[in-house]
Amino acid sequence: GAGVSQSPSNKVTEKGKDVELRCDPISGHTALYWYRQSLGQGLEFLIYFQGNSAPDKSGLPSDRFSAERTGGSVSTLTIQRTQQEDSAVYLCASSDGLAGGEDTQYFGPGTRLTVL
Amino acid sequence: AQKITQTQPGMFVQEKEAVTLDCTYDTSDPSYGLFWYKQPSSGEMIFLIYQGSYDQQNATEGRYSLNFQKARKSANLVISASQLGDSAMYFCAMREWIQGAQKLVFGQGTRLTINP
Repeated sequence: GAGVSQSPSNKVTEKGKDVELRCDPISGHTALYWYRQSLGQGLEFLIYFQGNSAPDKSGLPSDRFSAERTGGSVSTLTIQRTQQEDSAVYLCASSDGLAGGEDTQYFGPGTRLTVL
Repeated sequence: AQKITQTQPGMFVQEKEAVTLDCTYDTSDPSYGLFWYKQPSSGEMIFLIYQGSYDQQNATEGRYSLNFQKARKSANLVISASQLGDSAMYFCAMREWIQGAQKLVFGQGTRLTINP
C-alpha cells in the first residue's frame, strides 16, 4: 500500500515568509508525528497527534510553529515568519496507534526547507 | 541526560563482512521499545527492526538482528553479510511517553560505509 507522503519535497523561502508543510499518513494510521532533522540538532521530535488531537505541543520550537490535523488524516505544519534557523528537513511519520504493540513509526520522504 | 548513545560516528567495513553498530540507552521505564532505522543518502528513514523490553528473544529480520542486553541497556544492530547498498546512516531510537504524547528519541547516528 501507499506509504507516508509529504509535500512539497523541497521548499525555498525568504526570511519572514510563512510556509505550510503537508503530510498524508498511511491509510488507517491514527497516530501522526512530526520531527525535524538538522545538522546541529540531529533528529528532534516536534509534535504527536492521536486522531485530531495533540496532547502536548511543548516540542514545537517556538510559537511561530503550529500544526493541525483534520479528519484524522492529513496534517499541516505551519511556520510563520520563517527564520534561517528553521532550515532543516521536516519529517512526518505515522503509526497504527495501537497500545501494547510495536506501534512502529513509518516515515515519509521529508520536506527540505531552506530559508534564505 | 542523553537517552540514546551511539558511540560510533562512522564505520568502514568490507563487503560481505558482518558489522555491529552500537547503541546504549537510558530509561527508568520498565516498558519501552527500541527501534533501528536506516537513512540512505536519499533521506528517507527506513524501519529495520524492533525490540520490546519484555521480548524474550532477540529480534531478527533477514540480515538484521538485534543483540539486546537488557542489564547493560544496550541494543546493538548486527548486519550479516554486508552489501554495498547497506551504506547509509543508521539511527537507534527509543519510544517514550511524555505527558500523554508518544515520541521517538534518536541517537546521533552512525554512518556506515561498505567498501567493495
